[in-house]
Amino acid sequence: GAVVSQHPSRVICKSGTSVKIECRSLDFQATTMFWYRQFPKQSLMLMATSNEGSKATYEQGVEKDKFLINHASLTLSTLTVTSAHPEDSSFYICSARGRITDTQYFGPGTRLTVL
Amino acid sequence: GQSLEQPSEVTAVEGAIVQINCTYQTSGFYGLSWYQQHDGGAPTFLSYNALDGLEETGRFSSFLSRSDSYGYLLLQELQMKDSASYFCAADPYPHASGGSYIPTFGRGTSLIVHP
Repeated sequence: GAVVSQHPSRVICKSGTSVKIECRSLDFQATTMFWYRQFPKQSLMLMATSNEGSKATYEQGVEKDKFLINHASLTLSTLTVTSAHPEDSSFYICSARGRITDTQYFGPGTRLTVL
Repeated sequence: GQSLEQPSEVTAVEGAIVQINCTYQTSGFYGLSWYQQHDGGAPTFLSYNALDGLEETGRFSSFLSRSDSYGYLLLQELQMKDSASYFCAADPYPHASGGSYIPTFGRGTSLIVHP
């Protein structure tokens, strides 16, 4: 199946710093990418949907100024957590969907710990 | 909007067969997907049903009844490695559009396989 990579896989940072997470589709063009966060033992919570070349659509309750999403190309989307705080500590997962495939392919996730 | 209900936990023994149910309430439902997620990992796609009936992929099968707003994932010949969380996800719009339709995930079912 299609491959989606995510980098970094794990990051620990101090409160107040910004963290950028990259999501890449390695063998297909991702017209749409989704960003999720997941707390332990809970479901995936969709944060935002991004289409290549356009602004991301954020879900209700997700601060767009805090979680900056850029989908600059058909293979790359980035999520930047600005001025991270301990409550932002979570597992962040991206997924990608192409023009042809009906399936979302998930990245391996990024575990963010904010001290 | 959409909401999906699935059991929070299911336990079974190795070699057994287990069925994980998913009921949904949606507007504009198109198809149902199933994902597997091991602890600490990202979801991986298992199967997709857009039409009523059973889709079989090896030991895993998925069923959909649109008239009953119901689907299930069937796991046969259970193995210890099948212990994971299983999510159903509903798609609201036809896939062919290539648009940023947004799937909704259930809360996940934790499957515990005992020796």
